Amino acid sequence: ETGVTQSPTHLIKTRGQQVTLRCSSQSGHNTVSWYQQALGQGPQFIFQYYREEENGRGNFPPRFSGLQFPNYSSELNVNALELDDSALYLCASRLEPLLDTQYFGPGTRLTVL
Amino acid sequence: GENVEQHPSTLSVQEGDSAVIKCTYSDSASNYFPWYKQELGKGPQLIIDIRSNVGEKKDQRIAVTLNKTAKHFSLHITETQPEDSAVYFCAARTGGGADGLTFGKGTHLIIQP
Repeated sequence: ETGVTQSPTHLIKTRGQQVTLRCSSQSGHNTVSWYQQALGQGPQFIFQYYREEENGRGNFPPRFSGLQFPNYSSELNVNALELDDSALYLCASRLEPLLDTQYFGPGTRLTVL
Repeated sequence: GENVEQHPSTLSVQEGDSAVIKCTYSDSASNYFPWYKQELGKGPQLIIDIRSNVGEKKDQRIAVTLNKTAKHFSLHITETQPEDSAVYFCAARTGGGADGLTFGKGTHLIIQP
């Protein structure tokens, strides 16, 4: 176990809806990243939060947004859901941005119908 | 941006034999190379990582080698066991703490009894 937890485990939404996914980082880890993993593919970097600010972003549109709270838990919000957003969403935490090692949670499986 | 290629996509070996998975990366500025194991329905689990100032690292039955000149790195698993069956991902990260990991597409390792 990595100490990183995510909720919910599974979620089904309809195209056009909005969704919020949650992540609780490993104790003491102030940096959290979110990844999207489509079926049969490697994870793709969405963005990273450090001290409640987004400080890095991959090639994802603005309808993917996030929040990080003072206790280092975080949220991923996706607006105007599309069918292609169906994927496993993973969060990963690390002690601080300059330390490389990061630990992943179990993920949230999102299905968009 | 960074591009990581991983081969083979599927690898079947007899229990007790060795398994080797290879990755190449495109960005010479990449300096951190982790390997993750992902079992069905779970998040990626870090199994070993290496930084660009080191050529090889071992942890019991697992080893990783890095060739910076050729921009490739490999995972070696010796004395394979049934519990080694999973999907393995290599990844790379460039530069500063705000960058996410770029993953390969994964290798499905099957250990035949």
